[in-house]
Amino acid sequence: GAVVSQHPSRVICKSGTSVKIECRSLDFQATTMFWYRQFPKQSLMLMATSNEGSKATYEQGVEKDKFLINHASLTLSTLTVTSAHPEDSSFYICSARDIYDITGGNEQFFGPGTRLTVL
Amino acid sequence: GNSVTQMEGPVTLSEEAFLTINCTYTATGYPSLFWYVQYPGEGLQLLLKATKADDKGSNKGFEATYRKETTSFHLEKGSVQVSDSAVYFCALSGEGRRALTFGSGTRLQVQP
Repeated sequence: GAVVSQHPSRVICKSGTSVKIECRSLDFQATTMFWYRQFPKQSLMLMATSNEGSKATYEQGVEKDKFLINHASLTLSTLTVTSAHPEDSSFYICSARDIYDITGGNEQFFGPGTRLTVL
Repeated sequence: GNSVTQMEGPVTLSEEAFLTINCTYTATGYPSLFWYVQYPGEGLQLLLKATKADDKGSNKGFEATYRKETTSFHLEKGSVQVSDSAVYFCALSGEGRRALTFGSGTRLQVQP
């Protein structure tokens, strides 16, 4: 089955530093990947849509200069949290859609998530 | 805009009990509907899906039927096991929008 990996799985950093999270589709190609944020015991909130070879599309209220997204290849998207602060601490999850998905159902495959803790 | 509403948890059941987790949605047109499951310490996994009205998705004993007339996609299982303990998310993908809109999640705890 389709597998999406994220790295790192857990990161602790000091306030003011930047953190990069990688999302990779391991056995399929994805022109579009999605980045979500999940607060404890809450649902996933879409942050942005990452498009291969073009700029990401951010949801309302998400600072594009704060959360930098790069989608340089069909199998890799990165999210960089710049100048992280404690309020950025959260669980970040990516998902990817297979470009050859012919089911029409828009099935997405999720990474295991990255837990970010900013001290 | 699109939205998904699912019942509050946690839901606590004994093993072999019948499970229903309600999910209703608001969307224009004909969205695709999904149930995802998140086991402790793991990422989301697709449990089942339905792409058009009256479709029934099923997997691992779980079922959900896409009811357009009631805008619902309730999750059911006839006999739950301890290993089913997890958080279940109902989600939809609207027409022309490929990102998913999630419900708040329902935690299921199954006791032996």
